[in-house]
Amino acid sequence: GQQLNQSPQSMFIQEGEDVSMNCTSSSIFNTWLWYKQDPGEGPVLLIALYKAGELTSNGRLTAQFGITRKDSFLNISASIPSDVGIYFCAGQVKGAQKLVFGQGTRLTINP
Amino acid sequence: DADVTQTPRNRITKTGKRIMLECSQTKGHDRMYWYRQDPGLGLQLIYYSFDVKDINKGEISDGYSVSRQAQAKFSLSLESAIPNQTALYFCATSDPRPGTGETTDTQYFGPGTRLTVL
Repeated sequence: GQQLNQSPQSMFIQEGEDVSMNCTSSSIFNTWLWYKQDPGEGPVLLIALYKAGELTSNGRLTAQFGITRKDSFLNISASIPSDVGIYFCAGQVKGAQKLVFGQGTRLTINP
Repeated sequence: DADVTQTPRNRITKTGKRIMLECSQTKGHDRMYWYRQDPGLGLQLIYYSFDVKDINKGEISDGYSVSRQAQAKFSLSLESAIPNQTALYFCATSDPRPGTGETTDTQYFGPGTRLTVL
């Protein structure tokens, strides 16, 4: 089946640094979603992207739907301690009825 | 109040017991999903339902069953729990969003149920 390659798997950064993570696939997607999961909680939707080339911001978060429709990235600027968690990308392949999830990027921030 | 609720939030049970996890939503969405998450891993789809009369198997349906009692309720059952079913279980809902000739889903998750099978 379709797979999403999410990288990096983990990141250890200093507070205030910018963060970048991405997801790639060999399949064409018509939706890219980015979620954040805090320990013991459900994933919370951060940004939804529906068009190739779309660039969307949510506060310090910016995500883009790749022009090839096979990738997406999420950037976090000026990281703060509450950004700690696991970030998941998810995508819907053109013509499919279900989402495919990446394996997650675990973000750790050193104060 | 939360849009997607799950009960119980935590459950410890013994091997062989029957367990039911409940999910309710007030978002008015037609589509509901059950996922499993193992430590350090992503989400695996167990079952999904696009309306009250529709039930579909996901990637890992063996050992699980579901019931869509109403648009707002979707329950997951483990008929005879086993230790390797110890995991976090998440319910999600979505509504198809009209796109450029296709529908696209954005899924919203519940808070999860932590299940431990001894």
